[in-house]
Amino acid sequence: AQSVSQHNHHVILSEAASLELGCNYSYGGTVNLFWYVQYPGQHLQLLLKYFSGDPLVKGIKGFEAEFIKSKFSFNLRKPSVQWSDTAEYFCAVNGNNAGNMLTFGGGTRLMVKP
Amino acid sequence: GAGVSQSPSNKVTEKGKDVELRCDPISGHTALYWYRQSLGQGLEFLIYFQGNSAPDKSGLPSDRFSAERTGGSVSTLTIQRTQQEDSAVYLCASSLSVGQGQNEQFFGPGTRLTVL
Repeated sequence: AQSVSQHNHHVILSEAASLELGCNYSYGGTVNLFWYVQYPGQHLQLLLKYFSGDPLVKGIKGFEAEFIKSKFSFNLRKPSVQWSDTAEYFCAVNGNNAGNMLTFGGGTRLMVKP
Repeated sequence: GAGVSQSPSNKVTEKGKDVELRCDPISGHTALYWYRQSLGQGLEFLIYFQGNSAPDKSGLPSDRFSAERTGGSVSTLTIQRTQQEDSAVYLCASSLSVGQGQNEQFFGPGTRLTVL
């Protein structure tokens, strides 16, 4: 079985602060990893994804995430947040032998103060 | 439209009634997924379709839940004899195929179900 843990449930930052949201997963095989974002009143959108290759992946809106296999982690980062980044962020994993289901973490609510 | 669409956007029903939720995937996407988002449980996988068949129904919470897909396109999720704990946002997603989990899933806006 696969599982995902996001340790930060709520994060409050001021504009221009740096962001790092933690994500750890549990799965015994090869994984595909995703970060989705849900802006207020909008539906889930993909920020970035990791399938293979370079463990540092770049996504939209200046976000990036690093896959560290030895730590089973896929933390999301952004050097300088904006008020418009206020949203809920979900880490998700899909194991290559786990069908096509995504298992999501509990989400992190980010509030950026102007 | 270009994205996944779901209807209705909101549904309020009385306990014990049946409800049907509809999903229109992105044109050409062969894989379709249903998830549920609720306060207590977060985002949970329910079921997915490859074409019209559902290889894995283990995520459905109870036998009151069923889903079907016809013509490789539209899908309906049916909840019979609704209970208050069924209140949640039901999300549909689609992807081009089910190629070893590597296909990005595009999500619809969801149906907010409230069971009184």
